[in-house]
Amino acid sequence: NAGVMQNPRHLVRRRGQEARLRCSPMKGHSHVYWYRQLPEEGLKFMVYLQKENIIDESGMPKERFSAEFPKEGPSILRIQQVVRGDSAAYFCASSPVRGSSSYEQYFGPGTRLTVT
Amino acid sequence: DQQVKQNSPSLSVQEGRISILNCDYTNSMFDYFLWYKKYPAEGPTFLISISSIKDKNEDGRFTVFLNKSAKHLSLHIVPSQPGDSAVYFCAGFDDKIIFGKGTRLHILP
Repeated sequence: NAGVMQNPRHLVRRRGQEARLRCSPMKGHSHVYWYRQLPEEGLKFMVYLQKENIIDESGMPKERFSAEFPKEGPSILRIQQVVRGDSAAYFCASSPVRGSSSYEQYFGPGTRLTVT
Repeated sequence: DQQVKQNSPSLSVQEGRISILNCDYTNSMFDYFLWYKKYPAEGPTFLISISSIKDKNEDGRFTVFLNKSAKHLSLHIVPSQPGDSAVYFCAGFDDKIIFGKGTRLHILP
């Protein structure tokens, strides 16, 4: 039973380019969460999605960042026109249910984005 | 505004002794409190949780204590083992997980 998968594991982009990060949740999980971890910081919630729906995007920067979780395929976190401050580890997590039990989230290994 | 605070960036403990990791919070609306463990280049893994209506939860070598009046919780690991060396994140859950900055635990041989 595969866990949460993220790819790529490492991504290098020049300033101004686009970054696309992919996340495949655990089998049977329909809830996906994205978190960002800056150096020496904890993980910060960005967005919560279900299939074809954004449920909570209160942690997403207002510009350049978007996320989707289509009916088929992985969830995508897209960062347009990257800047050096976007360099971070981006983690995806999934859970099978919503509500009080959705604190039981299973994390992927993360994508380390470096902007040069 | 840090809702979850882990004031000790690192902690060193002798193998076999007790490790105590501390955490303070400001959000009274958290329903659950969580501890996650993270190794380098891996995602966090869930360790143990406690409901906001409980004051203690135990799972093997791991026990979490919650003091709601002080808005403080702690994770006890006993006995500490070399494989416990990792970064430990305290977190609160109120519709979303809010993480602290983490405490790096070193278990000394």
